[in-house]
Amino acid sequence: KAGVTQTPRYLIKTRGQQVTLSCSPISGHRSVSWYQQTPGQGLQFLFEYFSETQRNKGNFPGRFSGRQFSNSRSEMNVSTLELGDSALYLCASSPPGAGVKDTGELFFGEGSRLTVL
Amino acid sequence: GDSVTQMEGPVTLSEEAFLTINCTYTATGYPSLFWYVQYPGEGLQLLLKATKADDKGSNKGFEATYRKETTSFHLEKGSVQVSDSAVYFCALSANTGNQFYFGTGTSLTVIP
Repeated sequence: KAGVTQTPRYLIKTRGQQVTLSCSPISGHRSVSWYQQTPGQGLQFLFEYFSETQRNKGNFPGRFSGRQFSNSRSEMNVSTLELGDSALYLCASSPPGAGVKDTGELFFGEGSRLTVL
Repeated sequence: GDSVTQMEGPVTLSEEAFLTINCTYTATGYPSLFWYVQYPGEGLQLLLKATKADDKGSNKGFEATYRKETTSFHLEKGSVQVSDSAVYFCALSANTGNQFYFGTGTSLTVIP
């Protein structure tokens, strides 16, 4: 079974640009979550999508947005990039169930490393 | 808000030593608690979990007990191996979705 696939793996942008990252979850997984990982802040939750609807949202500015398609693939977009947006962006999918108390497992991709110059 | 605080690293141990990585949490409601591990060159993966107070999660010789009275979920292993070298993350989830709060991670290096 293929794992969570994230593209691109590495990218370099300049301040003010925008970026779109893609995530393909494990087949059959309907929940997709996004996390930002930085050395100083660790892993921080961005948002979660389930059946094309945003189910949870973290404390990030509106420049960070996402969506999920009918095939469960997800994209996240960051507009007007800032230097502080440089990070590893991780996508995770979760198998179907009644929620975390039933499955409790996130399957992570290898991440997209964004560098903002 | 919900949060997790874990022991800062890095931690360096000799093979067969006892490991403890401390983790405490703050949460409203009744969270589920997790330890995730990231081996060198690999993605994060679930190590163990506990969904209610006094539950003990265990896997690969690692254990952690959900202590509501001390709001803790410390990770322990009686005898570490070189292959346990990794970064360990404590995490919680308190709602019905999959919104996790992670600690900052503790890097463990086990030397032969």
